[in-house]
This record gives sequence, C-alpha cells and structure tokens, in this order.
Amino acid sequence: GENVEQHPSTLSVQEGDSAVIKCTYSDSASNYFPWYKQELGKRPQLIIDIRSNVGEKKDQRIAVTLNKTAKHFSLHITETQPEDSAVYFCAAGKTSYDKVIFGPGTSLSVIP
Amino acid sequence: NAGVTQTPKFQVLKTGQSMTLQCAQDMNHNSMYWYRQDPGMGLRLIYYSASEGTTDKGEVPNGYNVSRLNKREFSLRLESAAPSQTSVYFCASSESGRQETQYFGPGTRLLVL
Repeated sequence: GENVEQHPSTLSVQEGDSAVIKCTYSDSASNYFPWYKQELGKRPQLIIDIRSNVGEKKDQRIAVTLNKTAKHFSLHITETQPEDSAVYFCAAGKTSYDKVIFGPGTSLSVIP
Repeated sequence: NAGVTQTPKFQVLKTGQSMTLQCAQDMNHNSMYWYRQDPGMGLRLIYYSASEGTTDKGEVPNGYNVSRLNKREFSLRLESAAPSQTSVYFCASSESGRQETQYFGPGTRLLVL
C-alpha cells in the first residue's frame, strides 16, 4: 500500500522568511496530493491540493510542486506570518480509491 | 450548516469497556472517514465508507467496528477498549471521496486507563 513520508518533522522560521516542507510517496499510481493545516487544538483543513497532470500550483503565498518521476512533492510558504504556525500534513491518493494516506506531519513555528 | 459534528468531545474509559463515537454531517456527502491522531504519527485511517451501505478497512482497523447508519451518520465502536486506543479521533466527510476535499469534525479525545 501507499506510504507517505514527510520532512522535516519540526521547522522554525523567522517571520517573513520562506518555509518548505517535503513529502515522498511510494505508490507511483498516486495522482492526488492534498495538503492540510491543523492549528493547535483545531481540526485539519485543506489549504491546497495538486493533481498529477500539473507540476506546480499557487494560491497567494502558498505553492505546491510535484515531481512524479522522483515521487516527491513539496509545500512552499513565502512571507511567513505568525498565523502560519501550525502542523501541516501532506497526503497522497489515487483516482480509483476513496481515500488518501497522510504523512506524519510537520510542526511549523513562525517566530515574530 | 453545522458541517461535521462529533460526540462526545472527551471520554475516559477503563480497559475493557465499550463505547461508540458518533459522527454526523449535513453537507449531503457520500463518503465518510474515521481517523486517529497520535503524536508524531499523523492521521491514520481506521475505516471509511465510500457511500451509504458500504464500509472498508483503512490502515489501522483492528479493535474497531463501524456502522454507516444512513447517509448522514457514521459511528465508530470500540468493543473492548485498550490503553493503546488512547488517541484523538477525527471523523471526516467528502462529497465523493475520489480526490475531493475532506471536511473534518472537531475531534473526540479518548483516554483509556
């Protein structure tokens, strides 16, 4: 089955700097890669996703890149703000399946 | 719309006791999920239901059972709780399940002594 790894497990950046979180997946048939953000004590919420027919997707300060050959994808957050502090989860799934597999999460701290 | 709701918010059980976690959604979604969240291990899928009347095992189904009562409700049952089941449990739903956004409930914090 699918296995998703995520690095780093913790990340601290200064406010205004960029943050990058990387994920790898094992099943080459996976073609859907969402990212969820979970603030402390709250529920996870989708922030962005990418599908295998594109290599990059942007939404304001957030971007995701996908390298299907290497089976890895990354989340890039630019101009970080304190409210970006949270745990971020990547996930991978397939069109034919009704589920995704999550990575272990990255705890991001943005220092004012 | 309330979205996805879960009850209870917090529960303490003794080893061997049973309980049912309730989940309901009012978004007319077809797919529903149960996850457990443990420190450093992310969200692990316990069971899911792609549509009313169907359920399938996820990554960690042992020790759990589920019931898709109707399109709105998906319950998770622990028949004989163990300390290893201490965790935060999240229910989620999505419109179709296939590459669709999952909407999570607020979670149930379960402590098994």
